[in-house]
Amino acid sequence: DVKVTQSSRYLVKRTGEKVFLECVQDMDHENMFWYRQDPGLGLRLIYFSYDVKMKEKGDIPEGYSVSREKKERFSLILESASTNQTSMYLCASSLWRREGTDTQYFGPGTRLTVL
Amino acid sequence: GNSVTQMEGPVTLSEEAFLTINCTYTATGYPSLFWYVQYPGEGLQLLLKATKADDKGSNKGFEATYRKETTSFHLEKGSVQVSDSAVYFCAQSDQFYFGTGTSLTVIP
Repeated sequence: DVKVTQSSRYLVKRTGEKVFLECVQDMDHENMFWYRQDPGLGLRLIYFSYDVKMKEKGDIPEGYSVSREKKERFSLILESASTNQTSMYLCASSLWRREGTDTQYFGPGTRLTVL
Repeated sequence: GNSVTQMEGPVTLSEEAFLTINCTYTATGYPSLFWYVQYPGEGLQLLLKATKADDKGSNKGFEATYRKETTSFHLEKGSVQVSDSAVYFCAQSDQFYFGTGTSLTVIP
């Protein structure tokens, strides 16, 4: 079974801090994704990566950056955390398909609170 | 543009009731369609999928049929159980669009 792990289940940070969220997958998937999940808004794509060192902006990239130095690891960085970034963050991975993304496999999520 | 529109929740049903959660999509091509489920405190997991028109995905008693003519992928289950209580997301493979999620609560 594919396993996607995230570095923390719960995280509390202060406004202005730099925050790192780590995600690791063990199935050699090309694609990796970061979403945030908010009540009433569903999942919104922040960034995705289709290869090492490659990244594409999603719908809401402002205030975030990402890093993918190794195929199995995809990091989300909040350069200067703000209270409106309090949310559930979900990482996912999938195989690449010419026709579009294949089934995405999700980590358990990190609930981030910014005070 | 591409999108997924999902039935608003929350939905509350009694055990053994019939479930339908509506989902429609817009896409420029012919995407794969998915239903994901999120149990409390967990990430999303794939429930079922269909990759082309008229395909039926099924799993754990849930079914959904890819209808190109109505651009729909409605989720159905004939008899829900308390353990089906979760949030359900419809999604398409084109541009990673997810619906907003439908919360289902099944009461004994």
